[in-house]
Amino acid sequence: RKEVEQDPGPFNVPEGATVAFNCTYSNSASQSFFWYRQDCRKEPKLLMSVYSSGNEDGRFTAQLNRASQYISLLIRDSKLSDSATYLCVVNDAGNMLTFGGGTRLMVKP
Amino acid sequence: SAVISQKPSRDICQRGTSLTIQCQVDSQVTMMFWYRQQPGQSLTLIATANQGSEATYESGFVIDKFPISRPNLTFSTLTVSNMSPEDSSIYLCSVDRLPGAANYGYTFGSGTRLTVV
Repeated sequence: RKEVEQDPGPFNVPEGATVAFNCTYSNSASQSFFWYRQDCRKEPKLLMSVYSSGNEDGRFTAQLNRASQYISLLIRDSKLSDSATYLCVVNDAGNMLTFGGGTRLMVKP
Repeated sequence: SAVISQKPSRDICQRGTSLTIQCQVDSQVTMMFWYRQQPGQSLTLIATANQGSEATYESGFVIDKFPISRPNLTFSTLTVSNMSPEDSSIYLCSVDRLPGAANYGYTFGSGTRLTVV
């Protein structure tokens, strides 16, 4: 069983749609959580950290459910420029990052 | 905010040769990491580059194949030794707690795209 699991997609959505990604992790001792965005042939870039209280950054909302060990990312009013692969990342003790396989999003006109 | 420079950005190498990848940060950072991203896959941690001591390797990666240097708090190198086509991948350096970053989190260099022929 993978330590961090994501639906690989692709999610094909029209502009303006709301789309949600989920991610599950297996290590209950995981300490911090992130969503990264990776464009084709580029390095991953931090999109947002994920907190237990939930956090929002513009059109993006991230939630963490420690009891169920899952993380979500909600994108509202999708833009063409949101097309990318979204990586769920979990930080275990000792600064080790574990990456999910990524969920590919394609936003179409 | 601080910047990570990684080079070369890409290279095509003959099997059996070695390639050294450099990662330079313009501010001192505590932790530096090296990752591999194979085609169509997510990132896998190779090792943590420790300043002043030997790197800490993850399962499946060994020092003879991927020697790492970390001479100071701003610089590290990863060497891919005795390359085979299976080493074709993107190699990325990463740092945590980048000074000046708006968010806590890990920042990546732009990556080195390696093709072994």
